[in-house]
Amino acid sequence: AQKITQTQPGMFVQEKEAVTLDCTYDTSDPSYGLFWYKQPSSGEMIFLIYQGSYDQQNATEGRYSLNFQKARKSANLVISASQLGDSAMYFCAMSSNNAGNMLTFGGGTRLMVKP
Amino acid sequence: GAGVSQTPSNKVTEKGKYVELRCDPISGHTALYWYRQSLGQGPEFLIYFQGTGAADDSGLPNDRFFAVRPEGSVSTLKIQRTERGDSAMYLCASSLSAQGAFETQYFGPGTRLLVL
Repeated sequence: AQKITQTQPGMFVQEKEAVTLDCTYDTSDPSYGLFWYKQPSSGEMIFLIYQGSYDQQNATEGRYSLNFQKARKSANLVISASQLGDSAMYFCAMSSNNAGNMLTFGGGTRLMVKP
Repeated sequence: GAGVSQTPSNKVTEKGKYVELRCDPISGHTALYWYRQSLGQGPEFLIYFQGTGAADDSGLPNDRFFAVRPEGSVSTLKIQRTERGDSAMYLCASSLSAQGAFETQYFGPGTRLLVL
């Protein structure tokens, strides 16, 4: 079985500062993928960034980067230069070959950016 | 190009009624997924299709839930004899193929179902 844990129910960050959202995962499968999604109040899940278990380097996409620490089984999302529009729910998710094609999601972190 | 679309965006129904939720995936995507998200929680997997066939329906909570994808594109999630506990956001996603852990799933805007 695979499991995702997000321990921060809510986070505040000042506009223009960086913020780290925590995610730890558990799986016995050596082949897996880790994903971060953003969910604004409108409800749509927006894909942000992906990290494969065999990737040697941390993934980056614009202001988003993924701090992947395989030995610790953590995949934290770093958002640089926070903007007011970054206020939303953020979900960490994973899939693994042994678990089929389903995504398993964490409980999410609500990020609030202060002006 | 166009993303995943879902209709209706909102659905209010009465306990015991039948509802259908529709999902139109990204053109060319062969894999399609349904998830259910209760308030304050992360989405939970229901079912996924590879082409026309349901490759994994292990997440369907009971036999009141059924989904089809007859032509390998649009999918319909069907809920019979709705219960108040079925109230949730129903999310559909698609991916280019079903290559397991390495495929990104792209989500639609969801259907908010409220059962009174």
